[in-house]
Amino acid sequence: AQKVTQAQTEISVVEKEDVTLDCVYETRDTTYYLFWYKQPPSGELVFLIRRNSFDEQNEISGRYSWNFQKSTSSFNFTITASQVVDSAVYFCALSDSDTGKLIFGQGTTLQVKP
Amino acid sequence: SAVISQKPSRDICQRGTSLTIQCQVDSQVTMMFWYRQQPGQSLTLIATANQGSEATYESGFVIDKFPISRPNLTFSTLTVSNMSPEDSSIYLCSVEVLLNGPGFSTEAFFGQGTRLTVV
Repeated sequence: AQKVTQAQTEISVVEKEDVTLDCVYETRDTTYYLFWYKQPPSGELVFLIRRNSFDEQNEISGRYSWNFQKSTSSFNFTITASQVVDSAVYFCALSDSDTGKLIFGQGTTLQVKP
Repeated sequence: SAVISQKPSRDICQRGTSLTIQCQVDSQVTMMFWYRQQPGQSLTLIATANQGSEATYESGFVIDKFPISRPNLTFSTLTVSNMSPEDSSIYLCSVEVLLNGPGFSTEAFFGQGTRLTVV
């Protein structure tokens, strides 16, 4: 069965601190996609990144970076120099390569204090 | 990319009534999905909306409670029937889009969600 685990329920940091959100997944598929979404208090889901299972290169986008390691089935997300506007719930998700269905982790609530 | 318009954005409904949520996409897409997010929870897939045929429901969700229509490749509706307070959630429409470029690469887009409160 496929599963996504975000062990951190809530994280609180002070502005400008770096913070890493953990994501561990389980799947028997050899081809799959991993996603990160941000959900601010307004409720919409904001797409952050998609990574396919054959691409283990780490990615950096501004203050955001992602570390994909198939050996440990992890896809962690780091925010550098966090800002108050980063406060949101962050979801990691795994896509079924055949059906396109997304399996979401439980989410990590990030609070960045000024 | 795909732009998804979901209506209504929010509603407050009386128990026992039904609400139909609409999802309109600005391009033809093969895969459309409906998710539910209960308060403080993660997203759970309700069903895959199949064009021209009955939706495929996930375990725990049934057609009588959540009838879904998909008359074409750009539009779908989800109805929440005979509502109770436990149905208070955010309902989200999602599509999978095949991206341009080499290889088979897709991306999942979400509507802005419908925040439903049942009183």
